[in-house]
Amino acid sequence: AQSVSQHNHHVILSEAASLELGCNYSYGGTVNLFWYVQYPGQHLQLLLKYFSGDPLVKGIKGFEAEFIKSKFSFNLRKPSVQWSDTAEYFCAVNGPDKIIFGKGTRLHILP
Amino acid sequence: DADVTQTPRNRITKTGKRIMLECSQTKGHDRMYWYRQDPGLGLRLIYYSFDVKDINKGEISDGYSVSRQAQAKFSLSLESAIPNQTALYFCATSDLGVGTGELFFGEGSRLTVL
Repeated sequence: AQSVSQHNHHVILSEAASLELGCNYSYGGTVNLFWYVQYPGQHLQLLLKYFSGDPLVKGIKGFEAEFIKSKFSFNLRKPSVQWSDTAEYFCAVNGPDKIIFGKGTRLHILP
Repeated sequence: DADVTQTPRNRITKTGKRIMLECSQTKGHDRMYWYRQDPGLGLRLIYYSFDVKDINKGEISDGYSVSRQAQAKFSLSLESAIPNQTALYFCATSDLGVGTGELFFGEGSRLTVL
């Protein structure tokens, strides 16, 4: 069965710090991978996605993620975070017919 | 107007009551999903539907039922609500097959069961 594991449940950073959020998945088939973001009080929105091709994927607001097949990982990165990046971040992986989410990482940026 | 609309946005009810959460979409997508979000547990899939005649159970379907009244409408029911069903519920849609498509979420329905 497919599953998604996010290593960090709660991350606190200062503005301008670099960010890396870990995500590992287990799924035996061809994967499509996603990062979603949920700002306080809002619904989830797509940050970026990987279907095929270049394993380094660039998303909105300066985020990027790298798909490393050998490590079953899809870590999210941002070189310099802003206070407005305070949100909860969810990694997700497709299955044959549905998308499964990790438990989320709550990111708090100190101004 | 939102592409995926959920009603009600907030609901407080009592144990044993029947509750229906409704979802409608204007995106023209065939696939619709119901997730619940609990702190520290992420989003868990309750039910999903690929078209009007196709309904599938997700990870946590016990205590829930759904109805796909039309391509654009997908309702979630709690026949007899219990306190541990207190959660934030999201409806979502997607367009491509084999789970490859991006999910588009509604604004969420916050349900409190007393």
